[in-house]
Amino acid sequence: EAGVTQFPSHSVIEKGQTVTLRCDPISGHDNLYWYRRVMGKEIKFLLHFVKESKQDESGMPNNRFLAERTGGTYSTLKVQPAELEDSGVYFCASSQPLAGVYEQYFGPGTRLTVT
Amino acid sequence: RKEVEQDPGPFNVPEGATVAFNCTYSNSASQSFFWYRQDCRKEPKLLMSVYSSGNEDGRFTAQLNRASQYISLLIRDSKLSDSATYLCVVIDQTGANNLFFGTGTRLTVIP
Repeated sequence: EAGVTQFPSHSVIEKGQTVTLRCDPISGHDNLYWYRRVMGKEIKFLLHFVKESKQDESGMPNNRFLAERTGGTYSTLKVQPAELEDSGVYFCASSQPLAGVYEQYFGPGTRLTVT
Repeated sequence: RKEVEQDPGPFNVPEGATVAFNCTYSNSASQSFFWYRQDCRKEPKLLMSVYSSGNEDGRFTAQLNRASQYISLLIRDSKLSDSATYLCVVIDQTGANNLFFGTGTRLTVIP
């Protein structure tokens, strides 16, 4: 079974530019999460989709970040315009709760560098 | 106050040693706990879930102390391949099931 995949693996952009990150969850997983780790800090939650609906976006830093999951399959996270403090590793995770078990499986992450 | 606190280490131990990590969480209503392992520049991978009084999986034992709000991970007979960062993770019980991460504890097993 294929795991969570993310694209691109690395992205280097200039301040003010736009970047779109993509996540493909494990097939059949309704829950999709975005997390971010900035240097020296812990991994932090950004938002959570259940199928195509946003369940919780309380972790989104500001309105420069826009996440979508049209059709309930893959998701995109767009940063527009990017700022220096947006640099970090963006992880996507998916899960399909089974009998109350909520294990999340992570993708390899996208390392974003804003210069 | 952080949701999850861990000693960042590093822990440097010889092969064959036993090492233990602790983690505390702030939300007493939390119900689900995990240890994830993260290798350098890789994604976190689930190591163990801790749902009740603790789990054991081979050389790894996780314990939960609800009264003190801490969980621990014990690694016996350390292997070189155990070198990694170990992340303590707690589930948000408000219904969204989001994960709260500690900063991780770095372990290096020395030959």
